[in-house]
Amino acid sequence: KAGVTQTPRYLIKTRGQQVTLSCSPISGHRSVSWYQQTPGQGLQFLFEYFSETQRNKGNFPGRFSGRQFSNSRSEMNVSTLELGDSALYLCASSLGGLTSSYEQYFGPGTRLTVT
Amino acid sequence: AQSVTQPDIHITVSEGASLELRCNYSYGATPYLFWYVQSPGQGLQLLLKYFSGDTLVQGIKGFEAEFKRSQSSFNLRKPSVHWSDAAEYFCAVGPFGNEKLTFGTGTRLTIIP
Repeated sequence: KAGVTQTPRYLIKTRGQQVTLSCSPISGHRSVSWYQQTPGQGLQFLFEYFSETQRNKGNFPGRFSGRQFSNSRSEMNVSTLELGDSALYLCASSLGGLTSSYEQYFGPGTRLTVT
Repeated sequence: AQSVTQPDIHITVSEGASLELRCNYSYGATPYLFWYVQSPGQGLQLLLKYFSGDTLVQGIKGFEAEFKRSQSSFNLRKPSVHWSDAAEYFCAVGPFGNEKLTFGTGTRLTIIP
């Protein structure tokens, strides 16, 4: 079974621009979560989507948004990029639902550099 | 609010030596507990998890962890480390009914020959 894939793997953007990152979950997984990883703040939860609906949200500004499609693929968008948005963005998928084991499987991440 | 503490930022052990990585959590009920490993430039890989039942759980790559409710701890152990175990290790907690994981700050493991 293919793992979680994220595209692109690396991205360089300029302050003020916007960016869209993509995540394809493991087949059959309906929940997709996004995390930001930085040396200073560590791993922080951004949001989670389940069946095309945002189910959980972390403490990030509204510049960070996401969506999920009917095939469970998810995109994350960051508008008006700031230097502090430079990070590794990780996507994780899980079965979701009430009987889920809540095991999350992570993709390799997208390394975003804002200059 | 839930929280996870990994008191050791960096640990160095000799190849073949035993390993214990510490993890303490704060949560109002019994949480779901996880250990993940991250190699440089990679995503996170699940090593093991605890939901309920036997407090000693076995994971992949020869790792095990013990849940101690009285100490709010979930320490990761391995009897004999290999050079390939060098990586960063994260403990995480997740409440029932919620996919949001709260991670510790991680412990970087260095293996010396």
